[in-house]
Amino acid sequence: RKEVEQDPGPFNVPEGATVAFNCTYSNSASQSFFWYRQDCRKEPKLLMSVYSSGNEDGRFTAQLNRASQYISLLIRDSKLSDSATYLCVVTKASNYQLIWGAGTKLIIKP
Amino acid sequence: DTAVSQTPKYLVTQMGNDKSIKCEQNLGHDTMYWYKQDSKKFLKIMFSYNNKELIINETVPNRFSPKSPDKAHLNLHINSLELGDSAVYFCASSQYYGYTFGSGTRLTVV
Repeated sequence: RKEVEQDPGPFNVPEGATVAFNCTYSNSASQSFFWYRQDCRKEPKLLMSVYSSGNEDGRFTAQLNRASQYISLLIRDSKLSDSATYLCVVTKASNYQLIWGAGTKLIIKP
Repeated sequence: DTAVSQTPKYLVTQMGNDKSIKCEQNLGHDTMYWYKQDSKKFLKIMFSYNNKELIINETVPNRFSPKSPDKAHLNLHINSLELGDSAVYFCASSQYYGYTFGSGTRLTVV
């Protein structure tokens, strides 16, 4: 079983719709969680951290469910510019090393 | 000013050749990394250096040799290149959980 698993997609979503995807992690001792965004042929960039209480940044909402060991990302009122691959990232319990999911590809259609 | 810069951006070379990729960061971060992203888009850590000291060395062929002359630089030398080495190689630096990536080096071995 992979340490961090994501549905690779692609998710094809019409502009303006709400889309959500999850990521599961295997190590219950994982401490920190993030969503990164990677555009085609570009480097990953931090989208948002994920806090235990859930957090929101504009149209983006991240949630953490420690009991079921998953994190989620919700995008409301999706824009064409949201098209990208969204990478779920989890830290190893023992150090700051990041464990990366393979990403979920999102395509927003006009 | 580019925070993490890596060169070259593209590298096309023949099997059996030796090549180097350079990385420099001006963020004052203590830790630097090399990641490999293959055709399946999975981002996998190769090496990590903290203040010039190797702290992570994943299962990577010993044809790959990192070198960190100072904490702002982490270079990657690859000997006897093979077809399977074709991928995008990302350099990154971090201070705790704040990762910044370079724009990547697309290596194609022919």
